[in-house]
Amino acid sequence: KNEVEQSPQNLTAQEGEFITINCSYSVGISALHWLQQHPGGGIVSLFMLSSGKKKHGRLIATINIQEKHSSLHITASHPRDSAVYICAAANYGGSQGNLIFGKGTKLSVKP
Amino acid sequence: GAGVSQSPSNKVTEKGKDVELRCDPISGHTALYWYRQSLGQGLEFLIYFQGNSAPDKSGLPSDRFSAERTGGSVSTLTIQRTQQEDSAVYLCASSLGGTAFFGQGTRLTVV
Repeated sequence: KNEVEQSPQNLTAQEGEFITINCSYSVGISALHWLQQHPGGGIVSLFMLSSGKKKHGRLIATINIQEKHSSLHITASHPRDSAVYICAAANYGGSQGNLIFGKGTKLSVKP
Repeated sequence: GAGVSQSPSNKVTEKGKDVELRCDPISGHTALYWYRQSLGQGLEFLIYFQGNSAPDKSGLPSDRFSAERTGGSVSTLTIQRTQQEDSAVYLCASSLGGTAFFGQGTRLTVV
């Protein structure tokens, strides 16, 4: 069992739908990251959070430390949101950069 | 520079040769990270530099891999005696302690 698990693995949505991607982890963490990887391969860091909730535009990330679970929500999804979304955990006691990555959720938003 | 710059963008090398991959982080960023993404695999942590502290090398897969960061800025990842399993996209990122900014990666192919 991977230390960071994401679900679903693949997700197809219609434009405008509300999307949720889930991340569960089994290690103690100091922070959790959500990354976006576009089809060309470029990676963008979306959020780094250690508690509660963060919002940026149509993206919302939440984390429940007790349940070791985080979610990434996309409101009013758009085809340009199509990408692979990756959850990564910074292991508590490890260095900030020593991240354990999930395998990613491939999102496709159809017009 | 405006972003994290990696060079070369693509490198094809023969098995057994040494390669050097370069990363120019965003000016002023104290943290620098190297990750790799093998075909069909998730992201994997390699090494993390933070200021003048000793780097976290715990992700380096073998002693054929080494990295240095000169003057707290440019970093070079060196792979000696390359093997076919080293073929991957090598990603560099930098940060000032918060959000990480990723380069476009170096695609290494060992033939």
